[in-house]
Amino acid sequence: DTGVSQDPRHKITKRGQNVTFRCDPISEHNRLYWYRQTLGQGPEFLTYFQNEAQLEKSRLLSDRFSAERPKGSFSTLEIQRTEQGDSAMYLCASSQGPGVGYGYTFGSGTRLTVV
Amino acid sequence: DAKTTQPNSMESNEEEPVHLPCNHSTISGTDYIHWYRQLPSQGPEYVIHGLTSNVNNRMASLAIAEDRKSSTLILHRATLRDAAVYYCILRDGGTGTASKLTFGTGTRLQVTL
Repeated sequence: DTGVSQDPRHKITKRGQNVTFRCDPISEHNRLYWYRQTLGQGPEFLTYFQNEAQLEKSRLLSDRFSAERPKGSFSTLEIQRTEQGDSAMYLCASSQGPGVGYGYTFGSGTRLTVV
Repeated sequence: DAKTTQPNSMESNEEEPVHLPCNHSTISGTDYIHWYRQLPSQGPEYVIHGLTSNVNNRMASLAIAEDRKSSTLILHRATLRDAAVYYCILRDGGTGTASKLTFGTGTRLQVTL
């Protein structure tokens, strides 16, 4: 297993366009998390899945954002009608279980630039 | 989630030990202390975690104060590849499901020759 994969690594889009990012977690990990990180800040939690169920969403996740994990494997994060404030690194992580002993494995992220 | 306080930045010389402090004066009895680090242009990676006792692994050591209100991540011999932002995070492990990772701004470690 090569870890958590995110695609694309970079995305430049015009304001108002829709974008979709993909995350492939480690195969035996049933928890999947999305975070957003802006320059100089730590990652901020967006949402997470237990298998295919989306269990928590942050207030940061506006109506323009939607995340899915249709078969409990890969996940997608879609941003509709992008705004310049959406420019950030979007990070995906997975973990093997809910216990405190299970660390998160992060991908390298998708850097979004909205022009 | 209980809050942690870390210095914004620290510097170290290569091959010297580095002690990265973290204060968590409002820690609760079921909070575990986790450390992650983020290398440039990468996602965060797990370093170490502990509850009460000091912990060692191949990457680092974690020294936890007796009253648990502070902890120190110890890199025994810093290398240039250890230059990163280090995050100290508390996770409530009181139930079977731990709280999610909540990141602060961390400590940016610079390592020089």
